[in-house]
Amino acid sequence: SQQGEEDPQALSIQEGENATMNCSYKTSINNLQWYRQNSGRGLVHLILIRSNEREKHSGRLRVTLDTSKKSSSLLITASRAADTASYFCATRTGGGNKLTFGTGTQLKVEL
Amino acid sequence: SAVISQKPSRDICQRGTSLTIQCQVDSQVTMMFWYRQQPGQSLTLIATANQGSEATYESGFVIDKFPISRPNLTFSTLTVSNMSPEDSSIYLCSVAPPGLAEETQYFGPGTRLLVL
Repeated sequence: SQQGEEDPQALSIQEGENATMNCSYKTSINNLQWYRQNSGRGLVHLILIRSNEREKHSGRLRVTLDTSKKSSSLLITASRAADTASYFCATRTGGGNKLTFGTGTQLKVEL
Repeated sequence: SAVISQKPSRDICQRGTSLTIQCQVDSQVTMMFWYRQQPGQSLTLIATANQGSEATYESGFVIDKFPISRPNLTFSTLTVSNMSPEDSSIYLCSVAPPGLAEETQYFGPGTRLLVL
């Protein structure tokens, strides 16, 4: 079953605005990762946050993790048209390399 | 990091036939993964393929339907057998490179399959 549920399913914003996506998961995790997918192509890794971290930044990306609520959020600041893509959270549990992906958020950034 | 290529990039197939998808990596990796992404859906792991051992399949996926080969540390194939329209999906391979980056995965561009 899906580990992660994301909301919103779809988000449309204007260029320059911030975009926030949320991910909830069900079981204890080692880390949580965010990936981007452009137009049904391969996924690109964006950022990883470990279970003992609460916040992480990378460029215009900010990720938070609340393990008590089993949730994470991805904030993209000053969005650009090129940020238009689907964004997926993925969780890693136990000692293996298996990732379980969330349902995804489709982001559209309009000029 | 790792650069991954997949062949074919897309195909249209008739039901009842089989298609073999190739995945090539530019470096040696122990673990390779095959995912399916049905239209408008998220990724679902089909199996994990380690070189030198049988692939490990996830619940709902069986070897007879999705046989996998892993002849060396840079290459793998996934076959979609006896296809039906329900198999229409994007199939993606990914790798977890050794070292610190092992926690993340690098994905190929995907193979878009349409079964008529």
